[in-house]
Amino acid sequence: QKEVEQNSGPLSVPEGAIASLNCTYSDRGSQSFFWYRQYSGKSPELIMFIYSNGDKEDGRFTAQLNKASQYVSLLIRDSQPSDSATYLCAVKGPSGQNFVFGPGTRLSVLP
Amino acid sequence: GAVVSQHPSWVICKSGTSVKIECRSLDFQATTMFWYRQFPKQSLMLMATSNEGSKATYEQGVEKDKFLINHASLTLSTLTVTSAHPEDSSFYICSAYRRGEGNTIYFGEGSWLTVV
Repeated sequence: QKEVEQNSGPLSVPEGAIASLNCTYSDRGSQSFFWYRQYSGKSPELIMFIYSNGDKEDGRFTAQLNKASQYVSLLIRDSQPSDSATYLCAVKGPSGQNFVFGPGTRLSVLP
Repeated sequence: GAVVSQHPSWVICKSGTSVKIECRSLDFQATTMFWYRQFPKQSLMLMATSNEGSKATYEQGVEKDKFLINHASLTLSTLTVTSAHPEDSSFYICSAYRRGEGNTIYFGEGSWLTVV
């Protein structure tokens, strides 16, 4: 059973702080990793993806991947109340189009 | 802008009737689309994988005769909830796999189904 795990939260951070969201996965063959944001009552939207070990930055967001540890994280700098949402980690295997989603971490940014 | 469109956004139907939800990829061809269900404050639950031109692959516990999936073209998949009951009321979301940069999936806006 391929699994993706996330702390369900809620994770509360003050406005302006760095929010750190973590995700672990079980399938060592996984090759692509994605972060989605889902606001309450809305569908998920893609924030960013990462394939290679290391960091990938996009604006206030930084994805970090460590394949040896089977760990991927998302950092949100200068957190804003509008960042309050559930963040979903998704992992794609080496073949096919099978995406496995984690349960999501609920982030609350306090003004 | 949106790359996957889902319709309708909201639908209310009477118990025992059927409801069809459409999912369209707007500017790319999607050989594979996915259907999810999500109850309030719960995780996404994959219902089935829809492949263009072939039968859908259903997840364990999902009734294929109740949730009919048709992927008749490279840009359209439909989910029909047959003989709907109040317990089928949920948020249904589709996604489409897009080849190219990212090789990722994009979600439709979702459809809220209420069965009364």
